[in-house]
Amino acid sequence: QVQLVESGGGVVQPGGSLRLSCAASGFTFSNYVLNWVRQAPGKGLEWVALISYDGRNNYYGDSVMGRFTISRDNSKNTMYLQMNSLRAEDTAVYYCARETGSEMGSFDLWGQGTMVIVSS
Amino acid sequence: DIQMTQTPSSLSASLGDRVIMTCRASQSIGTYLSWYQQKAGKAPKLLIYGASSLQSGVPSRFSASGSGTDFSLTISSLQPEDFATYFCQQTYSTSRTTFGQGTKLEIK
Repeated sequence: QVQLVESGGGVVQPGGSLRLSCAASGFTFSNYVLNWVRQAPGKGLEWVALISYDGRNNYYGDSVMGRFTISRDNSKNTMYLQMNSLRAEDTAVYYCARETGSEMGSFDLWGQGTMVIVSS
Repeated sequence: DIQMTQTPSSLSASLGDRVIMTCRASQSIGTYLSWYQQKAGKAPKLLIYGASSLQSGVPSRFSASGSGTDFSLTISSLQPEDFATYFCQQTYSTSRTTFGQGTKLEIK
């Protein structure tokens, strides 16, 4: 079954850290660019980070740059998001999403999401 | 960053209605525009890519058009399962993609 499954969410205090995982199955993981997208409660979608096929190129949204690190292990079919110096405004559902192989770059496969709550 | 503005922010319609929602980019993005449907508590689902191409498995009552800065999504005859929030996304800047704020489609 072609799917992405996120894990690692939870409740963390401001200033704390958390690592999210995104496990893939049913497709050739190393062939795809992957992204993290988040959605604060009742809000819209915010792109967080992107990682290239081989993990050599990474890009981040302004709100997380310098605090979050995206990585992948193609041997384990898993992508990660290391989140440090967490703030209340990082509270959101975090989705991993696969880009299509076409140049259009749409996100054709999404995980179910994992909730991160930053609160004291 | 390229800003995406969706109108309206919410829309009430009845079953069988034809509905149109729009998305405007702050600069020209060609046809690097996608549309997603999101139901409450679920992940977004890709409906349209390349501004007008229907994703596999998406019903033909969904259609979209546009290029440059102005885009639209049309649902020809609303079905119960279509009531959801719709987001547009630009992928012109692939390393800094952005989403619109969404249009919530509600039952009248």
